[in-house]
Amino acid sequence: AQSVAQPEDQVNVAEGNPLTVKCTYSVSGNPYLFWYVQYPNRGLQFLLKYITGDNLVKGSYGFEAEFNKSQTSFHLKKPSALVSDSALYFCAVNSGGFKTIFGAGTRLFVKA
Amino acid sequence: EAGVTQSPTHLIKTRGQQATLRCSPISGHTSVYWYQQALGLGLQFLLWYDEGEERNRGNFPPRFSGRQFPNYSSELNVNALELEDSALYLCASSKGQRTRTGELFFGEGSRLTVL
Repeated sequence: AQSVAQPEDQVNVAEGNPLTVKCTYSVSGNPYLFWYVQYPNRGLQFLLKYITGDNLVKGSYGFEAEFNKSQTSFHLKKPSALVSDSALYFCAVNSGGFKTIFGAGTRLFVKA
Repeated sequence: EAGVTQSPTHLIKTRGQQATLRCSPISGHTSVYWYQQALGLGLQFLLWYDEGEERNRGNFPPRFSGRQFPNYSSELNVNALELEDSALYLCASSKGQRTRTGELFFGEGSRLTVL
């Protein structure tokens, strides 16, 4: 069975500092990995995905994620956080079976 | 291009009643997914429809059901509502079985409150 873990309920970072939101996964076979962001009272928006190829994936709004097969991780990163990045972030995995499984979410707070 | 649209935005029901939520996918998308986002519980997979058929179902009781119409829009029905059904119900669409690795496109959700 596939699963996704986001070990941090909340991440706090000062504006201008780098941010990392952690994600680990468990799937059989090759994983398709995704990050989504949810702003208050809104649906989820796609940020980026890893399918194959380069382990560093670049996405929307300056975010990037690094796929690490040996550690089964797919951490979301941004070199310089903005207050407007404050939101709920979800990591998701699909093992090719068409059902996407989401992590519990990590709330990011960026302080001015 | 219009995104995924969901209706109603908000719905208030009492215990035992039935709720119907609707979703229109992005044009050209044949797959529709339903997720439940209850407070503090993340997204729980409910149902997946593709080409008019139910393809997969999450760990929810049978009173959660739905269907997909020929135009690929979808309905989610929740019968015999319980207080714990109060949640944001999110619909997402994708290009279906022809594109396994595609991301999901989400609607804004329907917030169901059961009193």
